[in-house]
Amino acid sequence: AQSVTQLDSHVSVSEGTPVLLRCNYSSSYSPSLFWYVQHPNKGLQLLLKYTSAATLVKGINGFEAEFKKSETSFHLTKPSAHMSDAAEYFCVVASGNTGKLIFGQGTTLQVKP
Amino acid sequence: DGGITQSPKYLFRKEGQNVTLSCEQNLNHDAMYWYRQDPGQGLRLIYYSQIVNDFQKGDIAEGYSVSREKKESFPLTVTSAQKNPTAFYLCASSSRVQSSYEQYFGPGTRLTVT
Repeated sequence: AQSVTQLDSHVSVSEGTPVLLRCNYSSSYSPSLFWYVQHPNKGLQLLLKYTSAATLVKGINGFEAEFKKSETSFHLTKPSAHMSDAAEYFCVVASGNTGKLIFGQGTTLQVKP
Repeated sequence: DGGITQSPKYLFRKEGQNVTLSCEQNLNHDAMYWYRQDPGQGLRLIYYSQIVNDFQKGDIAEGYSVSREKKESFPLTVTSAQKNPTAFYLCASSSRVQSSYEQYFGPGTRLTVT
């Protein structure tokens, strides 16, 4: 069965410093992985997705993630945090070929001025 | 603009009443989904539909019902049998043609039952 674990429930960074949000996955085959962002009381927006092409995936707003099969990880990074990056971030894996998504518990990113 | 609309944004109901949440999409997607989100938790799948006139239970279907009479619409009814209905409800859709399983989300409906 597929699953994802987000290793930090809350991450706090200063504006202009790097962001690292950690995610480990479990899958019996090559997974489709996603990062979504949710601002307060809003729907979810896709940041980036991995679908067995390049292992380094670039997304919107300067975010990127690297798929590491040996470590079963898909960590999200950004070189320099902006105040507008403060939000909830979800690591997600697709479950088999049903189209169902399995969500991590989420990581709240706080950006301090 | 193509996208998913959910209405209303906020909904208040008395305990014991059924309530229906609307979800409409104009993306021509075959599949649609309903999720529930509680504070500090990820999204949990309530129901999903991969094609018109067909739908399947997700992980927490008890106390909910859905219909899929049109490709564009996937309304969710929260019945009085749902023991803890207060939550943020999100609708999503995806294309069965694409193999990446990417889902597009609506803005959500916050339901409060007192």
